[in-house]
Amino acid sequence: GAGVSQSPRYKVTKRGQDVALRCDPISGHVSLYWYRQALGQGPEFLTYFNYEAQQDKSGLPNDRFSAERPEGSISTLTIQRTEQRDSAMYRCASSWTGADNSPLHFGNGTRLTVT
Amino acid sequence: QKEVEQDPGPLSVPEGAIVSLNCTYSNSAFQYFMWYRQYSRKGPELLMYTYSSGNKEDGRFTAQVDKSSKYISLFIRDSQPSDSATYLCAMSARNTDKLIFGTGTRLQVFP
Repeated sequence: GAGVSQSPRYKVTKRGQDVALRCDPISGHVSLYWYRQALGQGPEFLTYFNYEAQQDKSGLPNDRFSAERPEGSISTLTIQRTEQRDSAMYRCASSWTGADNSPLHFGNGTRLTVT
Repeated sequence: QKEVEQDPGPLSVPEGAIVSLNCTYSNSAFQYFMWYRQYSRKGPELLMYTYSSGNKEDGRFTAQVDKSSKYISLFIRDSQPSDSATYLCAMSARNTDKLIFGTGTRLQVFP
């Protein structure tokens, strides 16, 4: 596909369950980012990768959140033991190089609802 | 205090008006400044990109950066109903790819 693809589009889960959100970046893009966006707010940085290396995970809220990009392409954001406060839109973005040199292309996001 | 402050609006203007959108920031290390536009239920898309201080113009859009005041602006001339969206400022420092966003300003242009 031409754009960043995220799946699932919507995820409803019960509190305490683990969830895995997938991001398929634009082919050839080196950098991949995860953001969380609450309603009426701007995207909040979670983590990013260059190739398979996680460069910065300072935005991950706590140790229940983790991300990986094992082959430098598809990435998975995993939230363990979900809580209601984890409910949000999770957005993935990719770019040719870093954010200071090339624009971020965002996917349409995964809407996570924890009941 | 947030690193990037942006008035959430909403801002409602008639078609043809000049729109001014603004952000302030506190981190003097920010060097790269961007404006993203986000339509409802879509991801943000890059509108303008500026490095350091100065102005940049692209069609009806002009981006300004004043690093001495830690203030950036986006002007939209001859606004159209299709410009109705949320506008997000974003910025990053040199040697990091961590992009920090403002909260976004919701703009509505009515015919």
